[in-house]
Amino acid sequence: QQQVKQSPQSLIVQKGGISIINCAYENTAFDYFPWYQQFPGKGPALLIAIRPDVSEKKEGRFTISFNKSAKQFSLHIMDSQPGDSATYFCAASMSEKGNMLTFGGGTRLMVKP
Amino acid sequence: EPEVTQTPSHQVTQMGQEVILRCVPISNHLYFYWYRQILGQKVEFLVSFYNNEISEKSEIFDDQFSVERPDGSNFTLKIRSTKLEDSAMYFCASRRQGQEGNTIYFGEGSWLTVV
Repeated sequence: QQQVKQSPQSLIVQKGGISIINCAYENTAFDYFPWYQQFPGKGPALLIAIRPDVSEKKEGRFTISFNKSAKQFSLHIMDSQPGDSATYFCAASMSEKGNMLTFGGGTRLMVKP
Repeated sequence: EPEVTQTPSHQVTQMGQEVILRCVPISNHLYFYWYRQILGQKVEFLVSFYNNEISEKSEIFDDQFSVERPDGSNFTLKIRSTKLEDSAMYFCASRRQGQEGNTIYFGEGSWLTVV
């Protein structure tokens, strides 16, 4: 019940295209859903996050769509750039558990020039 | 911009040896975490620490692991008797208190290789 499932495992997108990564969770006690970006040899860096009372959040080229009833959320990267090539992790946490993050399996994104 | 700093960046150790990984969390943060990432896999939670005690720990965090905040700035992870399967990147993370403090900031990681 603590799992967060992420798909696809890898994604290749042309420059300027839209990258879409999906995540699903089981535990309805999760109340915070961040996306992290990780470059090789680096730590995860927060990209954007959403709470379940909001269905969409946009920051620049990055948008989270959240479907509470389906227990799914997704990351959309508009106008994808080669510099976006990285591994993306969705995660979920709950306040009652000290906000510890449960990560999805990760998506390796490659944006081709 | 304040950041979580970790040392060493890479350590190679013999199986059975003790290892201490060090972290300096962001200065006004009150919650501290250790996560690990085995090569090519997802990031896994190990332990969270608040108010000088462990608040949550995963089943990975068994008796060979311990954490300590020896002074006002450092946060350490000790692995008492390392095993080959402990080889991983270990990330320290921290966050501040309060409703707006959900964001967890990660360090660059300490890569541990057990041989």
